[in-house]
Amino acid sequence: ETGVTQTPRHLVMGMTNKKSLKCEQHLGHNAMYWYKQSAKKPLELMFVYSLEERVENNSVPSRFSPECPNSSHLFLHLHTLQPEDSALYLCASSQEIANGYNEQFFGPGTRLTVL
Amino acid sequence: AQSVTQLDSQVPVFEEAPVELRCNYSSSVSVYLFWYVQYPNQGLQLLLKYLSGSTLVKGINGFEAEFNKSQTSFHLRKPSVHISDTAEYFCAVSLYNTDKLIFGTGTRLQVFP
Repeated sequence: ETGVTQTPRHLVMGMTNKKSLKCEQHLGHNAMYWYKQSAKKPLELMFVYSLEERVENNSVPSRFSPECPNSSHLFLHLHTLQPEDSALYLCASSQEIANGYNEQFFGPGTRLTVL
Repeated sequence: AQSVTQLDSQVPVFEEAPVELRCNYSSSVSVYLFWYVQYPNQGLQLLLKYLSGSTLVKGINGFEAEFNKSQTSFHLRKPSVHISDTAEYFCAVSLYNTDKLIFGTGTRLQVFP
């Protein structure tokens, strides 16, 4: 595998389910990100991790819980979601944070549908 | 606060025609500027970026963009598009010494034969 991979690619869940999204980067980067992409809206930054430490949480509801066990893996644990949480969830990585010029590399995303 | 405006949500164009996708930004401090492309069922991929120096930036797939500080714009251009350029294009800015990319709402480029 190369670049940034995400699993699953598609997920349908009920409002009472618990599921997890997985992201893995094979680039040796130190920073990882979760974004939410909804139709007709700008990408929303949800969480930022640098060297496994969360450095940013953009007022995301607690029903979204990130986990970064090491610099290559990032999870997003989901529970009691709402239909409005249906979106494409994108993971990205970059060499490091605190340097705004670093390119972010994106995975293909997980298309989440909440029924 | 910083913001990015992409006025055109959709741009239809015929193959081999030129195209310009507009991007304007608002910021009280200096920024870095980016264009990303998202092909169907894929993540975002960097097309080009402006950090400093020459205001005309060349990217992949024949795209280029020009930074205009006085107009706070960073429009993306291609002199002759292909069917394969059909995708969603996102303009983004980031501040110096931050990790945050601020995206526009995207422009869907549809190339017709």
